[in-house]
Amino acid sequence: EPEVTQTPSHQVTQMGQEVILRCVPISNHLYFYWYRQILGQKVEFLVSFYNNEISEKSEIFDDQFSVERPDGSNFTLKIRSTKLEDSAMYFCASGTGYNQPQHFGDGTRLSIL
Amino acid sequence: EDQVTQSPEALRLQEGESSSLNCSYTVSGLRGLFWYRQDPGKGPEFLFTLYSAGEEKEKERLKATLTKKESFLHITAPKPEDSATYLCASNAGGTSYGKLTFGQGTILTVHP
Repeated sequence: EPEVTQTPSHQVTQMGQEVILRCVPISNHLYFYWYRQILGQKVEFLVSFYNNEISEKSEIFDDQFSVERPDGSNFTLKIRSTKLEDSAMYFCASGTGYNQPQHFGDGTRLSIL
Repeated sequence: EDQVTQSPEALRLQEGESSSLNCSYTVSGLRGLFWYRQDPGKGPEFLFTLYSAGEEKEKERLKATLTKKESFLHITAPKPEDSATYLCASNAGGTSYGKLTFGQGTILTVHP
């Protein structure tokens, strides 16, 4: 069964450094999403992306965050200058429409030191 | 602001003991209500989508139902492998572009 894959599974970075989290969505999906889950808290929406542009973003998704689909298969989340509070599990998801099921990867655990 | 609240926070069942999980939502113009299962260290795994009040979906021992204010996930004769965190999430209408608002989840433990 097709699945969303994310790399790396765990990323450890010094505060202030840039990180890029990578995702390969399901191949026939056109709608892409990033969420995060701080330990013990709810899954929170960050951004939705369609047709090579951001459709919607949350208050969390400030100027330090950016997303890109650099080629036909990858979808990336960049955090420009990481903060301690960026430590979380980051999930990528993809789907076939805005009100269709979103299929999630197993996440990247980001640890900021 | 859209809100999703799940209860109970944790539920411990004996194998074969049926029960229900609750998801209450406050959403303007619900486009869809989604149920996911999440195992430790994994991403949410899609279970069901419900789009309108009165709708029901079934898969093996699970059945999801939807009213105008709540959704229930009924678990019939659960097995230990059903142990997981169950998440519900709403997709609102209006100017939302796929944003899912998640509840905090119900941690289900099924003892043999």
